[in-house]
Amino acid sequence: QITLQESGPALVKPKETLTLTCTFSGLSFDNNAEGLAWIRQPPGKALDWLALIYWDGDKHYSPSLKNRLSISRDTSRNQVVLTMRNMDPVDSATYFCARVQGSAGFDLWGPGTPVSVSS
Amino acid sequence: QSVLTQPPSVSGAPGQRVTISCTGSRSNLGAGYGVHWYQQFIGGAPRLLIYDSYTRPSDVPDRFSGSKSGTSASLVIKGLQAEDEATYYCQSYDSSLSAWVFGGGTMLTVL
Repeated sequence: QITLQESGPALVKPKETLTLTCTFSGLSFDNNAEGLAWIRQPPGKALDWLALIYWDGDKHYSPSLKNRLSISRDTSRNQVVLTMRNMDPVDSATYFCARVQGSAGFDLWGPGTPVSVSS
Repeated sequence: QSVLTQPPSVSGAPGQRVTISCTGSRSNLGAGYGVHWYQQFIGGAPRLLIYDSYTRPSDVPDRFSGSKSGTSASLVIKGLQAEDEATYYCQSYDSSLSAWVFGGGTMLTVL
């Protein structure tokens, strides 16, 4: 059984750096067309893709946020980490990690972790 | 403003058929990239309903189907049930943006 679980602070201050961790189980790393993505959803708004890392290390970022984002993987710890710099109240959202598998979309999702940006 | 355009809301009575549209452009759906559909209940995570435009995961009822033509795609729900009341999102890849993109979401109300 495959599981994904997001973790991180529920509250960060403006201008701080947010670090989120997606801890997973049941995934194998032998498919380079597979990886994990971060997607966020502000309250009452649509889903917004942030970043994606494939198991071979290939990384992709949202063009509007790429200067603030960094994604990395630690296969020994079964984790993918997202950092977002210079947080702003508009970044308040629920942050999800999801598996991407080739052309099959985001087929598995974690429950999400809410993040509020406020002083 | 989302790269993929969906109607904000649709509704239907139990047993009816509803269609949710997703309109893109030449750099995403029109470029041959598949469209994926997700169902999201309030307070929950999205669930993959249709991938690669037409394919249904094994745990998704066959009341749900997808299609794609040119720069547009559709999700059809037949035999509408109260439990289908949720928000539905389409998603694809955009080659101009080099980004995975979502629609703005469509809220389905079962009357």
